[in-house]
Amino acid sequence: GAVVSQHPSWVICKSGTSVKIECRSLDFQATTMFWYRQFPKQSLMLMATSNEGSKATYEQGVEKDKFLINHASLTLSTLTVTSAHPEDSSFYICSARDLEQFFGPGTRLTVL
Amino acid sequence: GNSVTQMEGPVTLSEEAFLTINCTYTATGYPSLFWYVQYPGEGLQLLLKATKADDKGSNKGFEATYRKETTSFHLEKGSVQVSDSAVYFCALSLFGNEKLTFGTGTRLTIIP
Repeated sequence: GAVVSQHPSWVICKSGTSVKIECRSLDFQATTMFWYRQFPKQSLMLMATSNEGSKATYEQGVEKDKFLINHASLTLSTLTVTSAHPEDSSFYICSARDLEQFFGPGTRLTVL
Repeated sequence: GNSVTQMEGPVTLSEEAFLTINCTYTATGYPSLFWYVQYPGEGLQLLLKATKADDKGSNKGFEATYRKETTSFHLEKGSVQVSDSAVYFCALSLFGNEKLTFGTGTRLTIIP
């Protein structure tokens, strides 16, 4: 099946700094990518839908100025957590849509 | 709104045991139903799906039947293997909408 990668797989940063997470579709082009957040023992929560060449669509309650999404090409979407705080610590997962959604392995963010 | 409720787990079974992971849903429309599996260190993978009532999805020995009357999509396997150890997510999407709503996931461990 299609492969989606994420980088980095884990990151630790200081409070107040910004962190960028990349999501790439390796062997297919994806006009639509999705970003999810997963808390321990909870389900994946959709944060936003990223469309190549246009602005992302954010779910209710997700701060668009806090979580900047850029879908610059058909194989790359980035999520930047700006001015990160400890409450932003979580597991972030992306998916890319071909005929179905293919998921990346996730990025664990820890904000100190 | 839409929601998915699944057995919390963790579930531990002996090899060759029968597996059932319960999943029920609430949806405002007519959903498609999915089971995803996440093996350690990997992204979520689609295991099986069903798009209408009474459909049975099947893959790798796993089965789930779309039961509209009980709003359920329970995952079953007749004889589990150690390699089935993973986290299993039940999910739904509404017709014409690619957004997925996930359950909390069930961690399954199979012991030899």
